[in-house]
Amino acid sequence: GNSVTQMEGPVTLSEEAFLTINCTYTATGYPSLFWYVQYPGEGLQLLLKATKADDKGSNKGFEATYRKETTSFHLEKGSVQVSDSAVYFCALSDPADSWGKLQFGAGTQVVVTP
Amino acid sequence: GAGVSQTPSNKVTEKGKYVELRCDPISGHTALYWYRQSLGQGPEFLIYFQGTGAADDSGLPNDRFFAVRPEGSVSTLKIQRTERGDSAVYLCASSPRGTPSYNEQFFGPGTRLTVL
Repeated sequence: GNSVTQMEGPVTLSEEAFLTINCTYTATGYPSLFWYVQYPGEGLQLLLKATKADDKGSNKGFEATYRKETTSFHLEKGSVQVSDSAVYFCALSDPADSWGKLQFGAGTQVVVTP
Repeated sequence: GAGVSQTPSNKVTEKGKYVELRCDPISGHTALYWYRQSLGQGPEFLIYFQGTGAADDSGLPNDRFFAVRPEGSVSTLKIQRTERGDSAVYLCASSPRGTPSYNEQFFGPGTRLTVL
């Protein structure tokens, strides 16, 4: 079956540092890929998405590129802020599934210190 | 506009009791999903509604879990004979429509269920 694996946290870094969160997936077809973010005390929010190979999703300075050859969708940000402290979830949706349900990784907590 | 709301935000119950968790989706969203998030894990799919009908309930762990959406808007997740292993955060999400698969899902804040 399908699965999503992302790097374990917590990831602790200083403000203005470069952030990478690795995400790889296993799927029989070509899934849509997502990054969701959960800020402290808030619900999950879509951060960015990509629906086909080589697509790049971007939002709020974050980027991720759909790499079919490595089955990866790593999240990157060039200069993090304290406000980026959150839990980040990589997820996929299988186009063979008619209803668009999401399958999530375990999440990666990111802590940015001033 | 208003987002997805869930009530209660916290629910503490005793083993063996019955609980109901409510989800109010964004107005006009026909697709509604329930997920369960255990501590330290990502959300796991439970059930999907398109309108009033449960189109996919393959994620429900057993027959103690049931969900309804009688008028195609508000949904209630019902858990009978709760067990300690049911303790988790229950998330609801809605979407303008369930397909295609890249439609954004809008999540509520969740209900934290604790079974003592």
